[in-house]
Amino acid sequence: GQNIDQPTEMTATEGAIVQINCTYQTSGFNGLFWYQQHAGEAPTFLSYNVLDGLEEKGRFSSFLSRSKGYSYLLLKELQMKDSASYLCAGVQTGANNLFFGTGTRLTVIP
Amino acid sequence: DTEVTQTPKHLVMGMTNKKSLKCEQHMGHRAMYWYKQKAKKPPELMFVYSYEKLSINESVPSRFSPECPNSSLLNLHLHALQPEDSALYLCASSQDWVGGRSYEQYFGPGTRLTVT
Repeated sequence: GQNIDQPTEMTATEGAIVQINCTYQTSGFNGLFWYQQHAGEAPTFLSYNVLDGLEEKGRFSSFLSRSKGYSYLLLKELQMKDSASYLCAGVQTGANNLFFGTGTRLTVIP
Repeated sequence: DTEVTQTPKHLVMGMTNKKSLKCEQHMGHRAMYWYKQKAKKPPELMFVYSYEKLSINESVPSRFSPECPNSSLLNLHLHALQPEDSALYLCASSQDWVGGRSYEQYFGPGTRLTVT
């Protein structure tokens, strides 16, 4: 089975750093994806972690700990356009099927 | 070209109508997906096609009928829908799972469906 949890809503200030956490319990785990979804738009791919550690891509970084069933997405130098939902999704070995968490709606305030 | 296109953008249909949603990609991806997304909820997987064959049906009611005519096209045929089927329907594509690695999915903009 798949069980993925993340906070429902977060608020952060422009220019600050925010960390969005995701915990998971999945069978046959083969990595974790993070997607960004602006209201009324399609999800867009941010990162994929399959090994433990930190992956950095510009202002966005993602971390995975397989032993703890834990991941986070770190957003630095927040901009107003970062206001969106951030979806954590697990994937099983042998498939690309995504099992999404509830999503975290991030609001960036001036 | 990393674009997945979907038509129509919006669709309003009655409960007795038959309509189809279309999805197209030209990235050479051999896995294609249909998701349903309700407001303020994450996408829910409906169907997965791998090499034009249906590989996963997540217990979706038979009033939704998927079709994959070729490696670039994916259709979702709709018949006798209920008002609770109103949602955003997203299509996605990816490289198929190979050698221990899963691949990111590219999503289309979706079709916003309203059933009256």
